[in-house]
Amino acid sequence: EAQVTQNPRYLITVTGKKLTVTCSQNMNHEYMSWYRQDPGLGLRQIYYSMNVEVTDKGDVPEGYKVSRKEKRNFPLILESPSPNQTSLYFCASSPLRGDSGNTIYFGEGSWLTVV
Amino acid sequence: KQEVTQIPAALSVPEGENLVLNCSFTDSAIYNLQWFRQDPGKGLTSLLLIQSSQREQTSGRLNASLDKSSGRSTLYIAASQPGDSATYLCAVLPSGGSYIPTFGRGTSLIVHP
Repeated sequence: EAQVTQNPRYLITVTGKKLTVTCSQNMNHEYMSWYRQDPGLGLRQIYYSMNVEVTDKGDVPEGYKVSRKEKRNFPLILESPSPNQTSLYFCASSPLRGDSGNTIYFGEGSWLTVV
Repeated sequence: KQEVTQIPAALSVPEGENLVLNCSFTDSAIYNLQWFRQDPGKGLTSLLLIQSSQREQTSGRLNASLDKSSGRSTLYIAASQPGDSATYLCAVLPSGGSYIPTFGRGTSLIVHP
C-alpha cells in the first residue's frame, strides 16, 4: 500500500529539548516536503527536497532543519523547540513533475505541543 | 506571489443536495491543480488532479473543472452524503522552476441527514 508514515503522531515536549519527527515513504518518490498547519493560517511549507542530499527552504523554515540521506526518509528536526512551534505537522511526497500522476501524498500528521 | 482563495469557508447542506466548492488563484501560470479532502485531525487525501492543459477530471460523484485563464476551479459534488463531511482544500503547483504548491485554506463542509 502506498503510504507516507510519520512518527510520532503525538508529542508534548518542553522548550529547548531537541526533537526529531521522522517521515518515510514507500513509493520511491523524489520529492518530499514538510508542512505545518495552523488555525487561520492554513498549510505552510517548511522545507522540501527534490532528491537525496537536495533540500531547500519553503515559506517558514526558521527553527527547523531537515536532511535527506536516503530517498525514502525525510526527518524534520527541531533543534531548540519553542512554544510558537506548537502545531500540526504533515510530511508529504510526490513524483517530480514530468512523471504521470504527480499526486501529492500526505502522512497522517504529527501533533506537536511545546510547553 | 500566488494566492489561492476558497469560498465559502464553511458550508452546511442537507443530504442529497448537489453542491459546488470554489477555488480561485491569482497567477494563471500553473502546472496543475489538486483537490484534497481532510477529515478532522487527519492528513490530506488527494481527490482529483487537473493538469494545466485539462479542463476537467471526474471520479465517481466528484467533478473538478479548471479555467486557467480566469483563475478558477470548481469541485462539484453530486448527491451529497453525510460521509462527505470534511474540509476540502485546493492546491496550485506553479509552472516554471518552483516546486512549492500554494494551498487554499479550505471549505469546511457539513452534510446533515
